[in-house]
Amino acid sequence: EDKVVQSPLSLVVHEGDTVTLNCSYEVTNFRSLLWYKQEKKAPTFLFMLTSSGIEKKSGRLSSILDKKELSSILNITATQTGDSAIYLCAAYRRGSADGLTFGKGTHLIIQP
Amino acid sequence: NAGVTQTPKFQVLKTGQSMTLQCAQDMNHEYMSWYRQDPGMGLRLIHYSVGAGITDQGEVPNGYNVSRSTTEDFPLRLLSAAPSQTSVYFCASSYSGVGVGTTEAFFGQGTRLTVV
Repeated sequence: EDKVVQSPLSLVVHEGDTVTLNCSYEVTNFRSLLWYKQEKKAPTFLFMLTSSGIEKKSGRLSSILDKKELSSILNITATQTGDSAIYLCAAYRRGSADGLTFGKGTHLIIQP
Repeated sequence: NAGVTQTPKFQVLKTGQSMTLQCAQDMNHEYMSWYRQDPGMGLRLIHYSVGAGITDQGEVPNGYNVSRSTTEDFPLRLLSAAPSQTSVYFCASSYSGVGVGTTEAFFGQGTRLTVV
């Protein structure tokens, strides 16, 4: 059975701290890994990773995929209160049951 | 630029009632899907479609029907609502989902459904 596991499930840090969120996956016919940020409504896209070892960056956020370890990390540096959200990791599989397999998410709270 | 539009945003149903959640996208995406999000469960795939006229079941399809008569629309039907279907429902679309996985999925704003 396909699964995606995120850790930690929740995290409380102070503004300015650096955080690392983890995602591991066991997905048949794995194609790519995606990170989403979910505040109050719909998930919004952050990164898609298909190649191992290549870091993707967007401002203070960065992410990398390790296909050997079947895992990915999302780093946020110099955190701000606006980073408070649920961060979702999803593995994209191809095959007869196409679609995204999501982890349960990491609930990140940034305290001022 | 509307993106993915879901209606309604909120709905309360009585057990046994039926209803349709609407989803429309204006990006000419081939791939559309429905997810439900429950506390502690993450997002789970209900049904998906890889193009007009083609639908398939996802992880949790029981109690739901879908159809895809046009590229733009992908309605989700609850046949006989049950309290276990209380959830937040998200519709998503992407350019292509089959054998590609190289494009992001765009999500609608969600429908919060309560079945009493």
